[in-house]
Amino acid sequence: EPEVTQTPSHQVTQMGQEVILRCVPISNHLYFYWYRQILGQKVEFLVSFYNNEISEKSEIFDDQFSVERPDGSNFTLKIRSTKLEDSAMYFCASSGDRGGYTFGSGTRLTVV
Amino acid sequence: KQEVTQIPAALSVPEGENLVLNCSFTDSAIYNLQWFRQDPGKGLTSLLLIQSSQREQTSGRLNASLDKSSGRSTLYIAASQPGDSATYLCAVYAGNNRKLIWGLGTSLAVNP
Repeated sequence: EPEVTQTPSHQVTQMGQEVILRCVPISNHLYFYWYRQILGQKVEFLVSFYNNEISEKSEIFDDQFSVERPDGSNFTLKIRSTKLEDSAMYFCASSGDRGGYTFGSGTRLTVV
Repeated sequence: KQEVTQIPAALSVPEGENLVLNCSFTDSAIYNLQWFRQDPGKGLTSLLLIQSSQREQTSGRLNASLDKSSGRSTLYIAASQPGDSATYLCAVYAGNNRKLIWGLGTSLAVNP
């Protein structure tokens, strides 16, 4: 069964540092997403990406965040200057035309 | 604004019981609804996807129903096993903005 692959599985970073979270979506999917889940809270939408551009972003996705699809397979989330409150589980997902998301196993980001 | 609520928040049952998890949503204009399983500290595993035109979906011991007009979905787990212990999340997909809106989940413990 096709999978969404995320790396790294864990990342610890110092406040103010830049981090890049990486994802390889399912190859024939057209829509790509990042979500996050702060411990004990609901999963929250960050951004959706289609046809090489952002199609929607949430209020959380401010200027500190950016996404990129640098080649035909990778999809990255960059946080420019991390804050303590960015500590969360970050999930990448992809979907085809009729919805039906497939999620990766997540990257646990800890900002210290 | 779409809100998703899941009841109960937690459930503890003896092995072998049949159980029902509930999900309600405030805006019936959804494209589909997806049920996920999350093990502690782990990723989001898709269990069942119900399109808005469908009434139910089945996979093994799992059956999910959807009543769009009343804004409700139920996940039925037959003959529960200790391996079913996890958090079960439902998420609705509005389609027009291609993002999932999540409930907080039901934490299930199945005791041997």
